[in-house]
Amino acid sequence: QKEVEQDPGPLSVPEGAIVSLNCTYSNSAFQYFMWYRQYSRKGPELLMYTYSSGNKEDGRFTAQVDKSSKYISLFIRDSQPSDSATYLCAMRKHGGSQGNLIFGKGTKLSVKP
Amino acid sequence: DAGVIQSPRHEVTEMGQEVTLRCKPISGHNSLFWYRQTMMRGLELLIYFNNNVPIDDSGMPEDRFSAKMPNASFSTLKIQPSEPRDSAVYFCASSLLAGARNEQFFGPGTRLTVL
Repeated sequence: QKEVEQDPGPLSVPEGAIVSLNCTYSNSAFQYFMWYRQYSRKGPELLMYTYSSGNKEDGRFTAQVDKSSKYISLFIRDSQPSDSATYLCAMRKHGGSQGNLIFGKGTKLSVKP
Repeated sequence: DAGVIQSPRHEVTEMGQEVTLRCKPISGHNSLFWYRQTMMRGLELLIYFNNNVPIDDSGMPEDRFSAKMPNASFSTLKIQPSEPRDSAVYFCASSLLAGARNEQFFGPGTRLTVL
């Protein structure tokens, strides 16, 4: 079993839809959870950052962490065509070096006008 | 701020040739990371440096791969000899070691094709 699992999609939704992206993980030592957004032919950029459990909201984006289920989610409200990208989850242990950042393979999202 | 700079952006070479990828991190950042991204394996960490010192190279696939960071503003990833299975997008990222979020800033990547 891989440490981080993420459905690669692709996921296609109409503009304005609520999008739910998810990752599961197997290592209970993970404490820091991130979502990166990667546009085509670009490098990933940090979108959301969460420590331990709970929710974090930033504009149209909400990140959720459920450590009991080893499950993290990213919700996008009122999705826009500009949200079309690949979304990668990433996580690492507490006290772990930054180098120990484990990425999911990414989910490709397409928002149709 | 120019961000992380990588060169070349695209590289096409033949099997057996030496390939050198270059990276200039964001000024002031003291951690540098090399990643490889493929459809099959996703984004994988190859090696990272703190204050120009290699900390973990366990992700380097084979002895054919080597990385150096001679100073705080420059790093290279070399593949010698290259093989078709090395074809991938190679990303360099940098961050502040003491940053609260330790956010990694990625460069645009080098798309390598080995024929």
